Amino acid sequence: EIVLTQSPGTLSLSPGDRAALSCRASQSVSSAYLAWYQQKPGQAPRLLIYGASSRATGVPDRFSGTGSGTDFTLTISSLEPEDFAVYYCQRYGSSYTFGQGTKLEIK
Amino acid sequence: QVQLVQSGAEVKKPGSSVKVSCKPPGGTFSSYNINWVRQAPGQGLEWVGRFVPFLGIANFAEKFQGRVSITADKSTSTVYMELNSLRSEDTAVYYCARPSSLVTKYSLDVWGQGTTVTVSS
Repeated sequence: EIVLTQSPGTLSLSPGDRAALSCRASQSVSSAYLAWYQQKPGQAPRLLIYGASSRATGVPDRFSGTGSGTDFTLTISSLEPEDFAVYYCQRYGSSYTFGQGTKLEIK
Repeated sequence: QVQLVQSGAEVKKPGSSVKVSCKPPGGTFSSYNINWVRQAPGQGLEWVGRFVPFLGIANFAEKFQGRVSITADKSTSTVYMELNSLRSEDTAVYYCARPSSLVTKYSLDVWGQGTTVTVSS
């Protein structure tokens, strides 16, 4: 079973900063199968990135996804106040596997 | 924006069962797999299983095998997840979710509002 490990666990930044969130897979993952989600307290997750690098409908272009093989990154170019949330990576396969999440908090 | 509608919160005793429902607001049965994902308090996301409408079958995460069933009623366009032999560790918010199109078919971009299941004696 492929395991997704996200780092850091918590990232403390200020509005306007650039954020880079890492997702590392225990085995190579097809880019087509890699997605990123944002979740705010009390809300369902929201799809941000699918296919490792494609933005979902309505997602601002400050969000970008890169990577291949075992290393993937979600980058937020300039943090807005509404971006402080928890972020999960996810791999599709015979089951869906999620990373443990990165909490992005205001410094 | 919530696009799937789930049933309301449940409080259950250990050892009992819970059945949670999920349907699209428009009532149209989707051709895309309906997945169930749960989130324990303060924890991350965990996939439970999926219903495959094309085949009329369900498959599950290994840890839930034998304890969960996922079924669908085409006449009401509703998918159900039933979890048996409940224990305190099953206390969580249960979400149903599915892809919205072939473009996003490997991800989940349509979600329900979540159903809180509390297991307590």
